[in-house]
Amino acid sequence: KQEVTQIPAALSVPEGENLVLNCSFTDSAIYNLQWFRQDPGKGLTSLLLIQSSQREQTSGRLNASLDKSSGRSTLYIAASQPGDSATYLCAVRYNYGQNFVFGPGTRLSVLP
Amino acid sequence: GAGVSQTPSNKVTEKGKYVELRCDPISGHTALYWYRQSLGQGPEFLIYFQGTGAADDSGLPNDRFFAVRPEGSVSTLKIQRTERGDSAVYLCASSTHRANVLTFGAGSRLTVL
Repeated sequence: KQEVTQIPAALSVPEGENLVLNCSFTDSAIYNLQWFRQDPGKGLTSLLLIQSSQREQTSGRLNASLDKSSGRSTLYIAASQPGDSATYLCAVRYNYGQNFVFGPGTRLSVLP
Repeated sequence: GAGVSQTPSNKVTEKGKYVELRCDPISGHTALYWYRQSLGQGPEFLIYFQGTGAADDSGLPNDRFFAVRPEGSVSTLKIQRTERGDSAVYLCASSTHRANVLTFGAGSRLTVL
């Protein structure tokens, strides 16, 4: 069964902290993995896309890593800001599927 | 257009009624996805179009749900005999290729009373 989990479900940190969000998947036959951000009542915004052949991707203060063998991806956020407060979701596309399988998300609150 | 447009943004209907939700993807995006999202959960896959054809409809929960994309651009998700359990936010996304970055619309919130 294709399953994607995210830990923790919620996280609250003071402004300026570095933090790590975790994503786990059950099948290593992935094609790519995306991290998204979702603000309350809004759609999803793609943050980073990692192809199966890549180990990490960086965009500004965000860095996403991928370890297929252990079935894990992490999203690292440096120097967090209140504007980073949102729900972060990871989504996996497998080699044999057409769709992206989403995790339940981690709800992040960055306190000023 | 500049982004993925979904209409209506909100739809309230009564149990048993028919509903249509529309998605206008980014111009030139051949891949189009429908997902639905319940409160506190990640999006759940419904159907994927490549061009005009439904390449994968394995996520449609039952035969009350149907989607079309007749000209390879705008897509309509159709729900017959709506049930209270259909209440959710229905999200549409498009991309230039099924492996590429997904761009999501803001969603259509469906409430079935």
